[in-house]
Parts: sequence; structure tokens; C-alpha cells
Amino acid sequence: GESVGLHLPTLSVQEGDNSIINCAYSNSASDYFIWYKQESGKGPQFIIDIRSNMDKRQGQRVTVLLNKTVKHLSLQIAATQPGDSAVYFCASQGTGGFKTIFGAGTRLFVKA
Amino acid sequence: DTEVTQTPKHLVMGMTNKKSLKCEQHMGHRAMYWYKQKAKKPPELMFVYSYEKLSINESVPSRFSPECPNSSLLNLHLHALQPEDSALYLCASSHLAGTTDTQYFGPGTRLTVL
Repeated sequence: GESVGLHLPTLSVQEGDNSIINCAYSNSASDYFIWYKQESGKGPQFIIDIRSNMDKRQGQRVTVLLNKTVKHLSLQIAATQPGDSAVYFCASQGTGGFKTIFGAGTRLFVKA
Repeated sequence: DTEVTQTPKHLVMGMTNKKSLKCEQHMGHRAMYWYKQKAKKPPELMFVYSYEKLSINESVPSRFSPECPNSSLLNLHLHALQPEDSALYLCASSHLAGTTDTQYFGPGTRLTVL
């Protein structure tokens, strides 16, 4: 079945350093990938997305890389700030949309 | 504006109570979703409405009853819940229905069943 998994459950980084959060997916039919940030007591917040016909997409301080060959997705956060502390979920959708499959989540701690 | 609103923020109910969760979006989105999220777990899809019609029910127990009165509103009616139903209930919406599209989430309703 389809699953989206994360390599590490927690990640601790120093303020100002770059963060890399990794994600593996199993369904080669996944067509669309999204990263969400969820702070304590809040709903998931959209960060950045990428479609399967791309291998890199950049936003403000964030970059998503997609390697379809090994079914791997990563989120890079530049100059990590205390406000980046949260749980990060990768998620995927097949071509029909609707069903978003979430990974287990990685908790990012930013040390001042 | 990518805001999805949910009420109430918190709800405590007994196992014999009937209550409803409400969700609203004014972005013209045509698909709306209910998710359930347990502590330290990812959201799990419960229901999908597309153009105000139920498209997906992920084998959710009948004590959860969704309703979509119009294109902006989504309700989740609760009856005879169990303590294990305590969770964060998230509503989401997406502009497009039936194709890949970003889902925008509300803040959730924290439900406690006693």
C-alpha cells in the first residue's frame, strides 16, 4: 500500500544553521508532494509543494528536493530560526487528488 | 486569504451527548475534508466532500455523521462517542476537486470524550 515515511522522528539544530528533513515514499504513482508545518495546538500549515515532473522547488528560506528514482523527498530550511520549531509532515497525493497520505512527522527543535 | 475556520476550539462531551463541529471557508474551494489527529500522530482522513457531495468515507463509524449544507460550510455531527474518539479534528479545503491540489487546514477542534 501507499505510505510516506520519515527517516528521523526528531531533529535538533542550532539557530542559524540549515535544517534538512527527509522523507521516503513507497507509491511510485504519487504525483504531488507537500510539506506541512504544525505548531503545538494548531492545524498543519502549508509550506511548499512540488509536482512529480520537477526535482527542485524553492520558496522563502525553504527548498524541497524530489528524487523519484529512490522515492525520496527532503525539506531544507535555511538559517533556521526559533520560530521554525514545530512538527514537519511530508505528504503525497496520487493523480486523483483528494487522498493526502501523511508521513509520521519529524519534530524540529531549534536551539538558541 | 487561505483561512479555514473551525468552531468550537475545544469541546468536552459525555458518551451520551450529541454535538456538532463546524467548519467554514470563503475561498470558493470546491472540496472539503475532515481529518482526525491523535497526539503525536499524523492526520488521518475521515471524509471528503466534492461539490457538496460526499465522495469519500474512510470507513468511519456511523457515530460520526458529516454534512455539507453549502459550498462554504462543513459540519461533523457527533453522537454516542467513545473515549477513544478524543482527538484533534481538523477541517481542510482545496480549490480543486478530483485532482491534486493543496489542502488548507483549519486550527482544529480539540475534542475530549468523557
